[in-house]
Amino acid sequence: AQSVTQLDSQVPVFEEAPVELRCNYSSSVSVYLFWYVQYPNQGLQLLLKYLSGSTLVKGINGFEAEFNKSQTSFHLRKPSVHISDTAEYFCAVSDRVGYSTLTFGKGTMLLVSP
Amino acid sequence: NAGVTQTPKFQVLKTGQSMTLQCAQDMNHNSMYWYRQDPGMGLRLIYYSASEGTTDKGEVPNGYNVSRLNKREFSLRLESAAPSQTSVYFCASSEGLSYNEQFFGPGTRLTVL
Repeated sequence: AQSVTQLDSQVPVFEEAPVELRCNYSSSVSVYLFWYVQYPNQGLQLLLKYLSGSTLVKGINGFEAEFNKSQTSFHLRKPSVHISDTAEYFCAVSDRVGYSTLTFGKGTMLLVSP
Repeated sequence: NAGVTQTPKFQVLKTGQSMTLQCAQDMNHNSMYWYRQDPGMGLRLIYYSASEGTTDKGEVPNGYNVSRLNKREFSLRLESAAPSQTSVYFCASSEGLSYNEQFFGPGTRLTVL
């Protein structure tokens, strides 16, 4: 079974500063990796996903993430955040073997202030 | 396209009452899911349906039942609500399991008194 650890429950940052949201996973097999974003009072939507190929994945709204197999990490980054990026971010993992469902981390709340 | 729709948006129940949460998708997806979201706990999978005619338990199925009524609709039933089931419930759908993007509904906020 897979698991996901998001190391920070909350990350405060000033507008136009860079940000990194950390995610580590655990699995006995190879995995697919995802980041989802949840804006206040809404459902989740996909930011980006890693299936195969290049370990640097670009997503919507200027976000990117890097898959590091040796460190079992999939950290999310943005070079310059906006107020509108204030939201909760969830890392998720799915096993490649068989037909697996997603396991979500507990989420990181990104708080962008002026 | 409406995507994934859920009804109701809000509900207050008394302990022991029953209710059904409705979910429908118009994307012709094969797989559908029910999650609950609690503060500090992330999303936890209650039940899922990999394809029409099948349902399987997720991480936290106790106290819930589901029905995959047809390809579009997937309902979640609480037979005898308990305060521990106070939560926000999300329905999602995807083309298939594993690597496919899941599309989420707007959620149902349920309070059990």
